[in-house]
Amino acid sequence: DGGITQSPKYLFRKEGQNVTLSCEQNLNHDAMYWYRQDPGQGLRLIYYSQIVNDFQKGDIAEGYSVSREKKESFPLTVTSAQKNPTAFYLCASSGGQDQETQYFGPGTRLLVL
Amino acid sequence: QQPVQSPQAVILREGEDAVINCSSSKALYSVHWYRQKHGEAPVFLMILLKGGEQKGHEKISASFNEKKQQSSLYLTASQLSYSGTYFCGTGGSGGYNKLIFGAGTRLAVHP
Repeated sequence: DGGITQSPKYLFRKEGQNVTLSCEQNLNHDAMYWYRQDPGQGLRLIYYSQIVNDFQKGDIAEGYSVSREKKESFPLTVTSAQKNPTAFYLCASSGGQDQETQYFGPGTRLLVL
Repeated sequence: QQPVQSPQAVILREGEDAVINCSSSKALYSVHWYRQKHGEAPVFLMILLKGGEQKGHEKISASFNEKKQQSSLYLTASQLSYSGTYFCGTGGSGGYNKLIFGAGTRLAVHP
C-alpha cells in the first residue's frame, strides 16, 4: 500500500531540546511539505521541497529546519529557537500524474513538558 | 493572504444541505478542498482548477468562480459521516504549488 507515514504519533519536548519528526512516503512523489496546525486553526506551511537536496522556507520557518537527502524522506527538526512548538504537525506530498494534489500523513502531536 | 471561509460553523440534521464558501483577495489558479476529522489528517475531497469547472464527489460538489475569486462546496443530503472541519486551500500557478489554507468551517451533522 502506498502512503505517507509520520512518527512518532505523540512527542514530548523539554525546554531547550531539539526534536526531529519523521516523514516517509512511498508514493514516488517529488514534492513534500510540512505544515503546522494549531487548535481551531488552519494549516500553515513551514517548509517545502520540490526535489531531493532542495527545499524552501514556507510562511513560518523560524525555529525549524529540514533536510531532503532522499526522495522518500523529509524530516523536520523543531529547534530550541521555536518558543511555542506545541501543535499538530502534518507532512504532505504531491507528484506523479496528479501533481496538484497534496496527500497528508497521519500527523505528529508535539507537546512541551 | 489567507482565504476567508464562511460560515465558521454549521449544524445540520441528517439529510439537510449546506454550502461552504472560500474567498480570496488574490487571483486563483486552483482551489483544493479537504475534510478533517478531529485529531486526524485532512482527507482530500477535490481540486478545482482555473476554468470555472464544477466537480462532484458522491453527494459533495464544488464550483470555482474565477471572476469572484471564490469557490463553494456543496453538501447535499448530508450524512453523519460528513461531520468534521472543511478546509479550502488556494494555490498559485500549476505544478508543485504552495497552498494557503483557510481557517476552516466546522460542520456537525446530527441524527
